[in-house]
Amino acid sequence: AQSVTQLDSQVPVFEEAPVELRCNYSSSVSVYLFWYVQYPNQGLQLLLKYLSGSTLVESINGFEAEFNKSQTSFHLRKPSVHISDTAEYFCAVSASSNTGKLIFGQGTTLQVKP
Amino acid sequence: DAGVIQSPRHEVTEMGQEVTLRCKPISGHDYLFWYRQTMMRGLELLIYFNNNVPIDDSGMPEDRFSAKMPNASFSTLKIQPSEPRDSAVYFCASTYTGELFFGEGSRLTVL
Repeated sequence: AQSVTQLDSQVPVFEEAPVELRCNYSSSVSVYLFWYVQYPNQGLQLLLKYLSGSTLVESINGFEAEFNKSQTSFHLRKPSVHISDTAEYFCAVSASSNTGKLIFGQGTTLQVKP
Repeated sequence: DAGVIQSPRHEVTEMGQEVTLRCKPISGHDYLFWYRQTMMRGLELLIYFNNNVPIDDSGMPEDRFSAKMPNASFSTLKIQPSEPRDSAVYFCASTYTGELFFGEGSRLTVL
């Protein structure tokens, strides 16, 4: 079985500052890792994913995450956040790359202040 | 494509009433998922289908919950009878590549 722990429930940060949202997972099998973002009153949207290959993956809006197998982590980072990045972020793990069966963490609320 | 469509967006009902939530997945997607989101428990996978067949319903809380997928373009999640602890946002999601596409959710309040 897999599980995901997001270490921070809320992360307040000022605009243009860097941010890191932490995610640790546990699994007895190879995993595929995802970050989803949820804006208020909306469904979740895929931000980025690690399936194989390079351990550093990037999104189109400046976020990146690094798969660290030895530390069982998949932390999300952005060097400079915008007000529009305010949202809830979910880390998720799957034992399959293509079924969509994901186990989600509890979520981290990113609050970007002006 | 219009994306995953859920209805109703909001439902307020009284304890003991039957609730039916509906979902239209994205055309061509062969997996469909029902998730429940609450502050206390986060996102929980309730059940998922592959090619209209239920694959794993181990997340369904109890017999009061049932889900069906009569065809590739429609699924329902039914709660009968509803209880206040069922209050949550219920999400439907679909995929054919592993990337989940979520609907906007159905917010259920049971009084």
